[in-house]
Amino acid sequence: EAQVTQNPRYLITVTGKKLTVTCSQNMNHEYMSWYRQDPGLGLRQIYYSMNVEVTDKGDVPEGYKVSRKEKRNFPLILESPSPNQTSLYFCASSLNTRSPLHFGNGTRLTVT
Amino acid sequence: GENVEQHPSTLSVQEGDSAVIKCTYSDSASNYFPWYKQELGKRPQLIIDIRSNVGEKKDQRIAVTLNKTAKHFSLHITETQPEDSAVYFCHTDKLIFGTGTRLQVFP
Repeated sequence: EAQVTQNPRYLITVTGKKLTVTCSQNMNHEYMSWYRQDPGLGLRQIYYSMNVEVTDKGDVPEGYKVSRKEKRNFPLILESPSPNQTSLYFCASSLNTRSPLHFGNGTRLTVT
Repeated sequence: GENVEQHPSTLSVQEGDSAVIKCTYSDSASNYFPWYKQELGKRPQLIIDIRSNVGEKKDQRIAVTLNKTAKHFSLHITETQPEDSAVYFCHTDKLIFGTGTRLQVFP
């Protein structure tokens, strides 16, 4: 089944404790991206990747890192999480920027 | 950079009525215009999309219209049903999303 798999679904952590949210797609998509969703603010892009080893900042990249060592994986790394990073995170992938986005099931992160 | 404005932010309609949501974009080079539906607690999922070489596309009760001159595209839902209640998002091929429209359909 074609899908984008995100893990974990829920994560509660403390300020400053490094964490990684994994994202994997099995559709051989070139494009992958991370979004955060906050009430009233819609989906804001954090980072995106057009292909392996190519990553670019989105609208809200501060406090986040990504890597794209393989085509299928695009992990999101928070080196030192802070409470303002409490949010719902979505990974998405598509063939290119003019094709439908396929979203993962989301990761609800709480930083205390 | 690209700017995408989506209106209205909330929309309440009676079951059976029509609903229209509009997105306005700034980059005239944009060529791909999708709409996503996000039900409560779930991920956004594509419901319909349109490319710049057509002005309208229809899929049963859902349609999307595109006005490239005015740089806006709209989602039209006819004969709304309670299961249409969700948040709807648009974006362009710059992958910048509108802020979403919460649609509530009352029985």
